[in-house]
Amino acid sequence: QQQVKQSPQSLIVQKGGISIINCAYENTAFDYFPWYQQFPGKGPALLIAIRPDVSEKKEGRFTISFNKSAKQFSLHIMDSQPGDSATYFCAARRRTGGSNYKLTFGKGTLLTVNP
Amino acid sequence: DADVTQTPRNRITKTGKRIMLECSQTKGHDRMYWYRQDPGLGLQLIYYSFDVKDINKGEISDGYSVSRQAQAKFSLSLESAIPNQTALYFCATSERGGTDTQYFGPGTRLTVL
Repeated sequence: QQQVKQSPQSLIVQKGGISIINCAYENTAFDYFPWYQQFPGKGPALLIAIRPDVSEKKEGRFTISFNKSAKQFSLHIMDSQPGDSATYFCAARRRTGGSNYKLTFGKGTLLTVNP
Repeated sequence: DADVTQTPRNRITKTGKRIMLECSQTKGHDRMYWYRQDPGLGLQLIYYSFDVKDINKGEISDGYSVSRQAQAKFSLSLESAIPNQTALYFCATSERGGTDTQYFGPGTRLTVL
């Protein structure tokens, strides 16, 4: 059972455009929602994250929008650049006991930004 | 991330062979993870370890085993490799407390013929 659904699977955007990637979840036990960015030949790396008590978090050109009631969150990349071309994973964290947590990842979105 | 290293980076093997993938970290983190990445399937958790004596199965542990030799080392073994284990394998670490951000190694590309 996939607990975090991510869409689209791939996305092509022109330079300067806005890239939007969406994720949805069902488990209300999730308490933290990070996004990871993966360049070809590299491991994923944390890009930006949000807690469910806020509706938006912005870091430079990257913004997470969070809708707790709809159990959805999305990544917006403003003024998309060719250097943003990468695979993006949303994730959700839940406590498994004590101070231990586990991340569940979406299936990823391959973003291509054309010059 | 240079603080998390994986060996080998690439490996081609034959069906039925035993394979070990190794992960080492210098971040001092107590938590380590093994993931498998297949196109269109994202990152699937194979095994995770919250400390040296605490090892847990993930979503897709069948056909795999792990060993946590020390806080800094976490190895993944394929006892008898099969072609559908051809994938990109990532090791990750995280620190107890805080946001539990995971730091990934560069990956091992495994091909089973």
